Amino acid sequence: DIVMTQSPDSLAVSLGERVTINCKSSQNVLYSSNNQHYVAWFQQKPRQPPKLLIYWASIRASAVPDRFSGSGSGTDFTLTISSLQAEDVAVYYCQQYYSTPPTFGQGTRVEIK
Amino acid sequence: QVQLQESGPGLVKPSETLSLTCTVSGDSINNYYWSWIRQSPEKGLEWIGYIHYTGNTNYNPSLKSRVTISLDTSKNQFSLKLISVTAADAAVYYCARATTAYDYWGQGTLVTVYS
Repeated sequence: DIVMTQSPDSLAVSLGERVTINCKSSQNVLYSSNNQHYVAWFQQKPRQPPKLLIYWASIRASAVPDRFSGSGSGTDFTLTISSLQAEDVAVYYCQQYYSTPPTFGQGTRVEIK
Repeated sequence: QVQLQESGPGLVKPSETLSLTCTVSGDSINNYYWSWIRQSPEKGLEWIGYIHYTGNTNYNPSLKSRVTISLDTSKNQFSLKLISVTAADAAVYYCARATTAYDYWGQGTLVTVYS
């Protein structure tokens, strides 16, 4: 299985400040036929299912605010929240869906400082 | 608007079979891939498997010997069966649609394993 390792496990940031979450895959997740990295990012709030934010490493899902962005290549990927809002308090997960089984990172908890 | 809703018993005894159904609205199940994913404090988010609208299935190797996912196109539903459950199978179970990614999820249903 591909292991997805996130860092940090948690962080506290002031409102309006930038948030950066890292995710490292243990193997390649680049699908050569379409040159896409099969990495997604999810946001999960308490008592809710994960919500898709980013797919193919950098494409925002429908209706996701543009303060959320994804980047990366190879085995290193990043989710950035450009200006933290109160409603962004949540746990964030990366996922690879390049190979079976799709696997998730352990999660990064984002709180307000 | 695509919506998924899990249903089924919330309590299962050890060694028995866990059976859940996901009802899809706002989309036809005759498209895409339909998945089951579970979440527990111990294991985090764990992909169980998917079924394609053609009927092809793919399961997590760690669960493959115990899992069956099936489609009921007449009801626009898909189902999960997990046999021989143990305490390690206690989790919130989600159904989800997979297109370019896992884009729509149900609200989840808590399954407790008790004796």
